[in-house]
Amino acid sequence: GQSLEQPSEVTAVEGAIVQINCTYQTSGFYGLSWYQQHDGGAPTFLSYNALDGLEETGRFSSFLSRSDSYGYLLLQELQMKDSASYFCAYGSARQLTFGSGTQLTVLP
Amino acid sequence: DAGVIQSPRHEVTEMGQEVTLRCKPISGHNSLFWYRQTMMRGLELLIYFNNNVPIDDSGMPEDRFSAKMPNASFSTLKIQPSEPRDSAVYFCASSLGAGNEQFFGPGTRLTVL
Repeated sequence: GQSLEQPSEVTAVEGAIVQINCTYQTSGFYGLSWYQQHDGGAPTFLSYNALDGLEETGRFSSFLSRSDSYGYLLLQELQMKDSASYFCAYGSARQLTFGSGTQLTVLP
Repeated sequence: DAGVIQSPRHEVTEMGQEVTLRCKPISGHNSLFWYRQTMMRGLELLIYFNNNVPIDDSGMPEDRFSAKMPNASFSTLKIQPSEPRDSAVYFCASSLGAGNEQFFGPGTRLTVL
């Protein structure tokens, strides 16, 4: 079948580094994306990995290992505004299947 | 660009009524997606269009749901008749071709009493 697994909740303090893991199972794979969603808001795109390795965008980095069907989102220098839900999703822009999301709480 | 536009932002209706949600994608984008988000089921893809043509509607829950895209700048999602279990936030998103980023609208929060 097709599925993604990610932790439901993560808590960290301001200034820290946090890693949100995502494992997936799918018959066809076209890349792993990450989206951020604040309470009451819409999902917004953070990053996309089509190939193995690390992609860095400012304080956020995303990693993919296709052989392990595994990826993660790394958030550095956490800020209060980073408190949100983070979703991994596989597919391409033609079609995305989203994980259930990880609620990140950043404490002062 | 104004981004993806959805209307209404909030809709409260009674069971059995028809509900129509509207979406204007980003100009130039040729793929449009309708999602539903609930606490229980998360973010689910309902249907997506490519160049105004429905490509995959396997996520549409049942015949009460229908979606159209009469032109490149407008799409509707209709529920008739609505039921309380349809209460959710409905998102429309658009993307450009084979790109990897989908742009989401602000969503419509639907409550069916």
